[in-house]
Amino acid sequence: AQTVTQSQPEMSVQEAETVTLSCTYDTSESDYYLFWYKQPPSRQMILVIRQEAYKQQNATENRFSVNFQKAAKSFSLKISDSQLGDAAMYFCAYRSAGYYGQNFVFGPGTRLSVLP
Amino acid sequence: KAGVTQTPRYLIKTRGQQVTLSCSPISGHRSVSWYQQTPGQGLQFLFEYFSETQRNKGNFPGRFSGRQFSNSRSEMNVSTLELGDSALYLCASSSSPEGAPLHFGNGTRLTVT
Repeated sequence: AQTVTQSQPEMSVQEAETVTLSCTYDTSESDYYLFWYKQPPSRQMILVIRQEAYKQQNATENRFSVNFQKAAKSFSLKISDSQLGDAAMYFCAYRSAGYYGQNFVFGPGTRLSVLP
Repeated sequence: KAGVTQTPRYLIKTRGQQVTLSCSPISGHRSVSWYQQTPGQGLQFLFEYFSETQRNKGNFPGRFSGRQFSNSRSEMNVSTLELGDSALYLCASSSSPEGAPLHFGNGTRLTVT
């Protein structure tokens, strides 16, 4: 079974600074997808970024980028120019590839605070 | 396009009762998944439905069940409620089972007293 670990329960960053959230996962599969989700106090989970394991290029979405190290099974999220609205719980998630739907496996989350 | 809609937003039930939660996916999405979120256990997968068929099930007791209708709307039922069932229940839909991201609703906060 796959597992996802986020070793930082809480982190803080100064507004306009850069922060990196860590995520490692364990799998024996070669094809899979990785995601970062954000859950603000409004509690709706919002997709931040998606990475396909067979793509070596790191995904980027505006101020959000990932550092995907497949051999190390590492998938960190970098937030540049942090804004107050970035404060939220961030979850790393894994999903197996394959036609039949596979459940997502989520990490325990990292609570990010943004300091003005 | 309207997002994933979950009703109700809040529920308070008594131990031993049963509860039904509802989820309307994004139009065109045929896959609907349910997750339980608690502070201690995090996000745990309950089940996934695709075209009215349960494709995958998490490690939850049989008191937790679900179904999906022909219009892709889904319901989740919990019978004989226990205090430990208090949680945020999140529904998510996706456009296909292969690699597509989940789109989540706002969740239903269930409190069992």
